[in-house]
Amino acid sequence: GDSVTQMEGPVTLSEEAFLTINCTYTATGYPSLFWYVQYPGEGLQLLLKATKADDKGSNKGFEATYRKETTSFHLEKGSVQVSDSAVYFCALTEANKLIFGTGTLLAVQP
Amino acid sequence: DTGVSQNPRHKITKRGQNVTFRCDPISEHNRLYWYRQTLGQGPEFLTYFQNEAQLEKSRLLSDRFSAERPKGSFSTLEIQRTEQGDSAMYLCASRVLEAEAFFGQGTRLTVV
Repeated sequence: GDSVTQMEGPVTLSEEAFLTINCTYTATGYPSLFWYVQYPGEGLQLLLKATKADDKGSNKGFEATYRKETTSFHLEKGSVQVSDSAVYFCALTEANKLIFGTGTLLAVQP
Repeated sequence: DTGVSQNPRHKITKRGQNVTFRCDPISEHNRLYWYRQTLGQGPEFLTYFQNEAQLEKSRLLSDRFSAERPKGSFSTLEIQRTEQGDSAMYLCASRVLEAEAFFGQGTRLTVV
């Protein structure tokens, strides 16, 4: 079946540093791709999405581009803040359901 | 709209007992999903409903697990004869067709 692979964490950065969290996927078709974020003590929230190749999803300064040739959807942010500390999940759709990666913990230090 | 609501937030039970969790989706969301999340892992799909019909169950789902969505509104997830390996966070999500899925805060189950 389809699957998602994320870089392992934790990722520890200083405030204002550049962030990249790698995500690659395996899929038989052309899924939509998502990044979800889970802040401490809260449920998962959709951060951004892309529905077809070369689409760029963006929200709150985060960006990710759907790369079919490399089957990737890496998450980037130019300048992280302490408030960005959370667990980030890459996901894809397969037959009406979401398939998630294992998550990457991001810790931003002041 | 208050979002997806899950109850209880926490449940501690003894091994062998039955437990039931409830999920109230966002009104008019016709699709409802159950996921399980263990520490350090991403959410794992369990089952989903479109309206009141249960359309898919994970092959990993033991027959001790059952879910219902009477009248296509709230849903319950029951685990019979709980085992320590059932300890996890159980997440519910709802959506309208292929639109964004909204997640509840989850029910954390601890089996002792």
